[in-house]
Amino acid sequence: NAGVMQNPRHLVRRRGQEARLRCSPMKGHSHVYWYRQLPEEGLKFMVYLQKENIIDESGMPKERFSAEFPKEGPSILRIQQVVRGDSAAYFCASSPFGNQPQHFGDGTRLSIL
Amino acid sequence: GESVGLHLPTLSVQEGDNSIINCAYSNSASDYFIWYKQESGKGPQFIIDIRSNMDKRQGQRVTVLLNKTVKHLSLQIAATQPGDSAVYFCAEDMEYGNKLVFGAGTILRVKS
Repeated sequence: NAGVMQNPRHLVRRRGQEARLRCSPMKGHSHVYWYRQLPEEGLKFMVYLQKENIIDESGMPKERFSAEFPKEGPSILRIQQVVRGDSAAYFCASSPFGNQPQHFGDGTRLSIL
Repeated sequence: GESVGLHLPTLSVQEGDNSIINCAYSNSASDYFIWYKQESGKGPQFIIDIRSNMDKRQGQRVTVLLNKTVKHLSLQIAATQPGDSAVYFCAEDMEYGNKLVFGAGTILRVKS
């Protein structure tokens, strides 16, 4: 009964490097959401995807950040040329369709040196 | 802007007592609300949800109340246990399943 799987759980990058975060949704779920959480804060929406389509990226910074959810394989959140301010926990959620509970993975904790 | 917020950042209760966590929302058009529990180092865990056409919904030891008149949401936990200690978030679905807006969170501490 696999839930949402995220990897890696922890990722350390130096400033200027690229970070790739992966998310495999729950079986049967075709809607994927990415959120970012800073320490002692709530989660902030970044992007909503369905297979091969970005539905809503209103929460994603215009530069350096991109997301995809290909026909085959996990969803990827990519951060190019990372900066210290990108340090956060990044959570992925999935649902079978809209307006249904989103189920979360345990996140990737990104640290920028 | 529209937002979801919590009244109490920290709540301490005695084991066995009931807990009530409150949440205020400002978007009267929101039609779906969810409570999540987050333990340290983990992702939010779904607890219970409620749609705007209801004012109360019960689960196992938990009850969610929705008061649309004053835009208020609450989570009641009966017979609170040490395992209930966590951060609790209310979340508001503002665009019919596109994204959730989370409150800042309430820390629940259960004293044995």
